[in-house]
Amino acid sequence: ETGVTQSPTHLIKTRGQQVTLRCSSQSGHNTVSWYQQALGQGPQFIFQYYREEENGRGNFPPRFSGLQFPNYSSELNVNALELDDSALYLCASSLGAHGDPAYGYTFGSGTRLTVV
Amino acid sequence: AQTVTQSQPEMSVQEAETVTLSCTYDTSESNYYLFWYKQPPSRQMILVIRQEAYKQQNATENRFSVNFQKAAKSFSLKISDSQLGDTAMYFCASFSPNTPLVFGKGTRLSVIA
Repeated sequence: ETGVTQSPTHLIKTRGQQVTLRCSSQSGHNTVSWYQQALGQGPQFIFQYYREEENGRGNFPPRFSGLQFPNYSSELNVNALELDDSALYLCASSLGAHGDPAYGYTFGSGTRLTVV
Repeated sequence: AQTVTQSQPEMSVQEAETVTLSCTYDTSESNYYLFWYKQPPSRQMILVIRQEAYKQQNATENRFSVNFQKAAKSFSLKISDSQLGDTAMYFCASFSPNTPLVFGKGTRLSVIA
């Protein structure tokens, strides 16, 4: 059983650029959630995908968008990068439309994005 | 909306001693779950312990146990026989069906040899 894999592990981008982060969910999981963790803070919910449809979104602007693919892997896209977008981006997979705590959430090790 | 508050930014404990991390939460949901996650320098969030709100019995996992006070909306984590490998950030989180995981700001725990 494989866990959650995120790529790349580190990334440096310039303000105004666009970035795509990738996540492979744990085998058997059909829900993927994305979180932004600023330095010294707890993770903040960005959005969640269940069976290729977005079914939940946090307080993030539309320039944060995502996709989920038939194999349940996922991408997070951020357009028009701002300095405040610098953070650790975590992906978590789970089972069920809204994540089922009985099955638990499996997190990846994150992508560290630095915007300069 | 759910909120989770961790009032201890940093704590330290001697190896083999016991330490308690505090967490309070607020929710209007009747069906919810509470979690403690550990985030070591590897950055991956690791589930430490889970508590279902409808269960009165406090959850335990080996050296980790919780004190769940539902009326006070308090959910503290006790680590017994602390080990150097317990050094990490610890996050308290809440979850309800139809809402995502909500995390506190975390407590940095250092275990000292």
